Amino acid sequence: SQQGEEDPQALSIQEGENATMNCSYKTSINNLQWYRQNSGRGLVHLILIRSNEREKHSGRLRVTLDTSKKSSSLLITASRAADTASYFCATVNSGYSTLTFGKGTMLLVSP
Amino acid sequence: SQTIHQWPATLVQPVGSPLSLECTVEGTSNPNLYWYRQAAGRGLQLLFYSIGIDQISSEVPQNLSASRPQDRQFILSSKKLLLSDSGFYLCAWSVRLAGVNEQFFGPGTRLTVL
Repeated sequence: SQQGEEDPQALSIQEGENATMNCSYKTSINNLQWYRQNSGRGLVHLILIRSNEREKHSGRLRVTLDTSKKSSSLLITASRAADTASYFCATVNSGYSTLTFGKGTMLLVSP
Repeated sequence: SQTIHQWPATLVQPVGSPLSLECTVEGTSNPNLYWYRQAAGRGLQLLFYSIGIDQISSEVPQNLSASRPQDRQFILSSKKLLLSDSGFYLCAWSVRLAGVNEQFFGPGTRLTVL
C-alpha cells in the first residue's frame, strides 16, 4: 500500500515564488526522504529527515516533519525554472531495507 | 565515486516476447539493489529488492522475475511480456547502513509493450 501521499498533485508557480509540497504517511517511520525526478530521468535524493528531527535545511530546501500528524513538508524558496520536476517523499520500513514512495507532486516553475 | 548503469535506455517489445533489463553498479561493494516500475504520471512501485547475491525479495507477484548473479549486477526478466508491463523501470542501490537507506537511482529504461 502507498505509505506516502503528496499534495498537491500538481503545482504551478512563477520564478522567485516559494513552493510548498506536503506528504502524509500512515505508519511509524525512522526517517523520511525527499527525492526529485526530472522528466524521463531517475530520481535524485534531496534530503533526509530523521524521526527525531523537526526541521532540516539544505540550500534553498527546507523540510519539516511532524510525527504526531504523520506529515512532512518540503519548501523550495526562491524557485527557479530549473526546479521544474516531480518531487516524491519516501519512508523507510522498519528494517531499513526498502523505501515506500508517494505518488509525487509535479512542480512547474514558469520564467 | 559510485555510478549506476541501466540498459537499454528504451525498448519496444511485442506482447509475449521475453525481457531482460540489466543494471550494474560501480564503486561500491555489497549494495542493496532495487527494481522499481513507474507508470505514467504515477509513483514508484517496488518490484524486487536484493540484499546479496541470489537473495531476492519479491514485493509484487507478477510475470516478472529478478536475479543477482554478481554482487553489483541486477537483472529484471520476463518470459512473456504483457501490455500492462509497459512503464519506466528504475534500478537503484543503497548502502547497507542502519537507519538510513538513501537510494541512488539509475537513468531508467522506458519499456513499451505493443
